[in-house]
Amino acid sequence: QVQVVQSGAEVKKPGASVRVSCKASGYTFTTYAMHWVRQAPGQRLEWMGWINAANGNTKYSQKFQGRVTITRDTSASTAHMELSSLRSEDTAIYYCATEEDTAMFYWGQGTLVTVSS
Amino acid sequence: DIQMTQSPSSLSASVGDRVTITCRASQSISTYLNWYQQKPGKAPKLLIYAASSLQSGVPSRFSGSGSGTDFTLTISGLQPEDFATYYCQQSYSTFWTFGQGTKVEI
Repeated sequence: QVQVVQSGAEVKKPGASVRVSCKASGYTFTTYAMHWVRQAPGQRLEWMGWINAANGNTKYSQKFQGRVTITRDTSASTAHMELSSLRSEDTAIYYCATEEDTAMFYWGQGTLVTVSS
Repeated sequence: DIQMTQSPSSLSASVGDRVTITCRASQSISTYLNWYQQKPGKAPKLLIYAASSLQSGVPSRFSGSGSGTDFTLTISGLQPEDFATYYCQQSYSTFWTFGQGTKVEI
């Protein structure tokens, strides 16, 4: 069965970068795109961007353009999301999710990123 | 970006009630509309995709309808495990967006 497992919690200082990983199993990794979504404490879900796992093409939300980079390693069936120039407002749970039929079908468990001096 | 607006933001209901949540898009999105359920401390779970298709394993008391700009999620016969927050999400444009969520409480 499809599983998506994310890397562990991170604590970063303002101005630093963070990299969150997402390992997929149970299907051919290049078949489905991978999306990234975040949720700040008590806030709504916020779409950040996605990567075409087959060819590496990406699209990012305008809000994060210039600060976010999504990559993938097909040999490891893993997608990565790097967010730079962190500020306190970036404290959130970050999720990855596979796309099928233009919906996010399988979600990772979430990774808490805390930005604090 | 396409704006998604849900109503109500929260509602109180009882076990067995029929509950309806609405979602409105700022422009036509055909049927590129998905619904997710999120419980506290958990990742979202896909319930409905393409406006009305039930995800495998999701109970049939959940149903979705609509097209264009107006959509509804209906829970027919609310169960204790259905108390959660529900989000709509559009996948019509290149840049996906979510509604603000509807919290279903006792």
